Amino acid sequence: GAGVSQSPSNKVTEKGKDVELRCDPISGHTALYWYRQRLGQGLEFLIYFQGNSAPDKSGLPSDRFSAERTGESVSTLTIQRTQQEDSAVYLCASSRAGGRPDTQYFGPGTRLTVL
Amino acid sequence: GQQLNQSPQSMFIQEGEDVSMNCTSSSIFNTWLWYKQDPGEGPVLLIALYKAGELTSNGRLTAQFGITRKDSFLNISASIPSDVGIYFCAGHGLYNQGGKLIFGQGTELSVKP
Repeated sequence: GAGVSQSPSNKVTEKGKDVELRCDPISGHTALYWYRQRLGQGLEFLIYFQGNSAPDKSGLPSDRFSAERTGESVSTLTIQRTQQEDSAVYLCASSRAGGRPDTQYFGPGTRLTVL
Repeated sequence: GQQLNQSPQSMFIQEGEDVSMNCTSSSIFNTWLWYKQDPGEGPVLLIALYKAGELTSNGRLTAQFGITRKDSFLNISASIPSDVGIYFCAGHGLYNQGGKLIFGQGTELSVKP
C-alpha cells in the first residue's frame, strides 16, 4: 500500500492477556518507530528500529513490552500480561532514512483497550 | 516520558479568526515539527523547522523556530472548518539517536462556522 498500515485497528483484551500489534511500513523505509498515545496526550516514543536492529529502546515502559522487526519490513509490538494502564493508541511511523525527523510517516494506530 | 509544554490545550474560535499556539521546552532542540491529527488517524506533518530564528509558511500556516532553540509557535490565519483537529509540536534533539521525537500534549482546535 501507499502508506503505513497497522493491524488490528482496535483491540480489546482482558487484563493479564498478551497482545501483538503489527506495523507494515512504507516499502523501502529502513527506519521504523513505535509511539504510544494515551487519551488526550501527545505521543510518547517507545522504540526505534534501523533495519532489523533497535538502537534505541529507551521508551519501552517495562519488560512486559518488546518489539521485533524482520526482513526490514514488518514490525510487531508485543505487550505481555497487559494492565489497564496499557490502554492507549499505539502508533507506528516509518521513514526512508533514520535520523531525519521530518520524514516520518505515521500509520492510523491500533487502539488498545485493556478491561 | 519527556514531553514539551504546549499551550493552549484547547481553543474554540469563529471561522475566519487567526489562531496561535506555542511550545516550550527545557531542552534545546535542533528541529521543530508541527503536526495535525484528525480523529482515528496518525499525525500528518504540517511544517518542519531546522534553524533557530527560522520562519516558515505553508499556505495559511506559519511557524517559527525560537531563537533560544527551546520554543516554537504555530499561527493559522483565517481559520476554516477543516482546520478542526489536534495540533502537536514535536522536537528532535541534537543528540537523539535516530529520529526519536518528543511531542507536546496537543492543542485541540474547534472552529465554529
